[in-house]
Amino acid sequence: ETGVTQTPRHLVMGMTNKKSLKCEQHLGHNAMYWYKQSAKKPLELMFVYNFKEQTENNSVPSRFSPECPNSSHLFLHLHTLQPEDSALYLCASSGPYNEQFFGPGTRLTVL
Amino acid sequence: AQTVTQSQPEMSVQEAETVTLSCTYDTSESDYYLFWYKQPPSRQMILVIRQEAYKQQNATENRFSVNFQKAAKSFSLKISDSQLGDAAMYFCAYRSSQGGSEKLVFGKGTKLTVNP
Repeated sequence: ETGVTQTPRHLVMGMTNKKSLKCEQHLGHNAMYWYKQSAKKPLELMFVYNFKEQTENNSVPSRFSPECPNSSHLFLHLHTLQPEDSALYLCASSGPYNEQFFGPGTRLTVL
Repeated sequence: AQTVTQSQPEMSVQEAETVTLSCTYDTSESDYYLFWYKQPPSRQMILVIRQEAYKQQNATENRFSVNFQKAAKSFSLKISDSQLGDAAMYFCAYRSSQGGSEKLVFGKGTKLTVNP
């Protein structure tokens, strides 16, 4: 248990659905991240939030919409996704020694 | 932009033996952080070890140690007395020390198999 939780762990959705991924960290960190992990590709950073402010958007399509209401919670709202968006979505938060702690991920399948 | 290269897509080792995973990186910065992460089949990414570039001493965590060669921009991970539970994907990652730059740059990973 790393202190970063993600729900749901698995999600199947159609291209017209709207869903949200949730991440929560119980470590007192101020920075949180969304990553996308596809097969045979390096982890792709999507968004960075620092003290609830978005500090990085790595050219992510607008069908992914992040929300960070406070330093402990991070959401990723999904709408009109494409099958190529199917992947493992990982949330992370930053520790005091600059390491990142990851959640277990949400396995997303877009039909 | 910084890049991280892991040249070994797959490696295997016999249980109780030692294995070294390679990682090289490219940067123009003099101060930064390097990490090795492990991702077992359960998919949870776990920090294995970290190294600050300004420290000459190689980091060690139990059976895990690194060989940090700053001039060569090399950061290899050595796993001693390999155990079945060490089987996983291993990712090398780089982080700038510049303020406001929190992102990690990851390599593509090395899949480690441990044979009984």
